[in-house]
Order: sequence, then structure tokens, then C-alpha cells
Amino acid sequence: DIVMTQTPSSQAVSAGEKVTMSCKSSQSLLYSGDQKNYLAWYQQKPGQSPKLLIYLASTRESGVPDRFIGSGSGTDFTLTISSVQAEDLADYYCQQHYSYPYTFGAGTKLELK
Amino acid sequence: EVQLVESGGGLVKPGSSLKLSCVASGFTFSSYGMHWIRQAPKKGLEWIALIYYDSSNKYYADSVKGRFTISRDNSKNTLYLEMNSLRSEDTAMYYCAKGGTVDYWGQGVMVTVSS
Repeated sequence: DIVMTQTPSSQAVSAGEKVTMSCKSSQSLLYSGDQKNYLAWYQQKPGQSPKLLIYLASTRESGVPDRFIGSGSGTDFTLTISSVQAEDLADYYCQQHYSYPYTFGAGTKLELK
Repeated sequence: EVQLVESGGGLVKPGSSLKLSCVASGFTFSSYGMHWIRQAPKKGLEWIALIYYDSSNKYYADSVKGRFTISRDNSKNTLYLEMNSLRSEDTAMYYCAKGGTVDYWGQGVMVTVSS
């Protein structure tokens, strides 16, 4: 199984700050057939279901603000929030959908400083 | 608008069985793979099962393989998860979710396994 490792586990931020969080996979998520990385990012606010933010490592889902930026390739990926807003305080999860079983990282909790 | 509505959860004793349902609307259900994903209280997300759009393939996490069965009825736009030999560690919110990349999630249904 592919192991997904997210760091940090939590991060305290102030509104307007730039935030980066990391997701590393135990094997490459780059599929040679199409040169795409099968990595997604989800946001989960308290009491809510997760919401898809980014797929194929860097493609923003429709309606997601452009301050959310996904990057990376192979085994190393990053989610950047260019200027954190109060409504961005949530848990963030990466997930590989390269091979079964699909696996999630343990999450990064974004908290208010 | 895509909607996924789970039902069938509750409080059950260890060793018992339960069957979850998820009714889908707002998209062509028969064209998409569907997932079950769970989240134990105060814990992270755990993918547990996938079924192809035509039921031709099913995949499971090791933690549920042999105990849980995913199925679907495209005529009823409904996804199922049959859970047998339930354990305390199966206590979680269970979400159904749409797509190869999971792009929509239901609101979840709680399953509590306790004596």
C-alpha cells in the first residue's frame, strides 16, 4: 500500500499569511501513460464532509478560490494557501488515487494563531 | 446539483451486521465509480471500498476485506455497504463519495459498534 505522510500535523496561522503544507508518498504517483500525478487535496471544516480542492496534483476544482495552489510531482507535493482567510481554518488531507487501496494522509490542521 | 444521502447507521453490538445505503441524485449514477470512506471520531479519513460504474470491479482496504461488501443498484441510483462481523474499531462516520477522483461526498452516517 502507498503510505501518505503529511506535515506539519497542525499549523497556527494569522489571516493574510502564506501557508504551505506538505504531502509525501511512499512511491511515485506519476503515471507514465499520461504523465499525470494522481494526488488530490481535500478540505474538511468542523462538522462538515470533506470538499475537493485540488486534483491531479495541481488542478483546482471548479469554484475553489485561486489562493489555493497545488504543486509537486512524483512523491513530493505541496498545498499552498497564498493568503489565508478565516474561512480556511480547517483540516486538509491529501489522497493518492494512483493505486488501490486509495490512501489518505493523516491531515494538517490549520488553526488560528 | 449532486446529492448523496446515506442512511442505515446506528448503534450495534460487536459481531453484528449492518447495511448502509446511499441514494444518489443530480448526476448519471450509472456512469461513475463510487466509494465508501470512513472517519473514526476525532481521526482522519480512511478509504475503505470502491465499486466500478458497472459493478465489474470492487476494491477494499485490508481492514475491511472479507467482512464488508460494496454493491450498487443502478436502477435505483443506490450504493450499498454490507458490513458483517463488526468490531469496535469500525465505529466511524461513513461517507459515500462519487467518482474516480472523489469529487462529491455525502453528509455521512454514523455507525457505533459497542456492547
